[in-house]
Amino acid sequence: SSELTQDPAVSVALGQTVRITCQGDFLRNYYASWYQQRPGQAPVLVIYNKDNRPSGIPDRFSGSSSGNTASLTITGAQAEDEADYYCNSRDTSGNQFVFGTGTKVTVL
Amino acid sequence: EVQLMESGGGLIQPGGSLRLSCAASGFSFSNFAMNWVRQAPGKGLEWVSAISASGATTYSADSVKGRFTISRDNSQNTLYLQMSSLRAEDTAVYYCAGGVIGYYYSYMDVWGKGTTVTVSS
Repeated sequence: SSELTQDPAVSVALGQTVRITCQGDFLRNYYASWYQQRPGQAPVLVIYNKDNRPSGIPDRFSGSSSGNTASLTITGAQAEDEADYYCNSRDTSGNQFVFGTGTKVTVL
Repeated sequence: EVQLMESGGGLIQPGGSLRLSCAASGFSFSNFAMNWVRQAPGKGLEWVSAISASGATTYSADSVKGRFTISRDNSQNTLYLQMSSLRAEDTAVYYCAGGVIGYYYSYMDVWGKGTTVTVSS
């Protein structure tokens, strides 16, 4: 498969925890990175190399991985976390890169 | 300030050609791999092409292979995407993004605001 599959949409109550998953065979060999995209804006890197946060990204964002699944967890979701989230990884060939199908996170 | 600024987008007829540019400032451009990522209206992100920091290695999505060419001029801190044989399905916002390509990992931590390409007669 040359796809990274994500749930289309999830919702979370303000202050609660939400986990977004990304499934794909090549995640067994390559780390995922995660991007947040608010409406009308460019994407922003929130997690890289499976579980590292760039400077300026709140520590409520964390990443993990197991087998063919990478996960992004938001612990204590805030209103400003409402956005689309995409995972990304190299594909099986190692010569291309693939974005996940995207997950829309709604904060209630 | 770290900045990427795309230019060159516009309205182009099917079958036409267009060259996008991405000017980098505020960081050591020649130390970073660069990517083009696009987003069709109302759709998700699609990786298009990447180039290593030196420019020696390029990567392209199957959807654009043979039609799009990525290149860079490290002396001018500029990334390019030469697009030819354009199709309606190439209509999208095109982002340039800088980052790292390692053996087991890759990521894009600097993004431009995007330039819009519309392919239509």
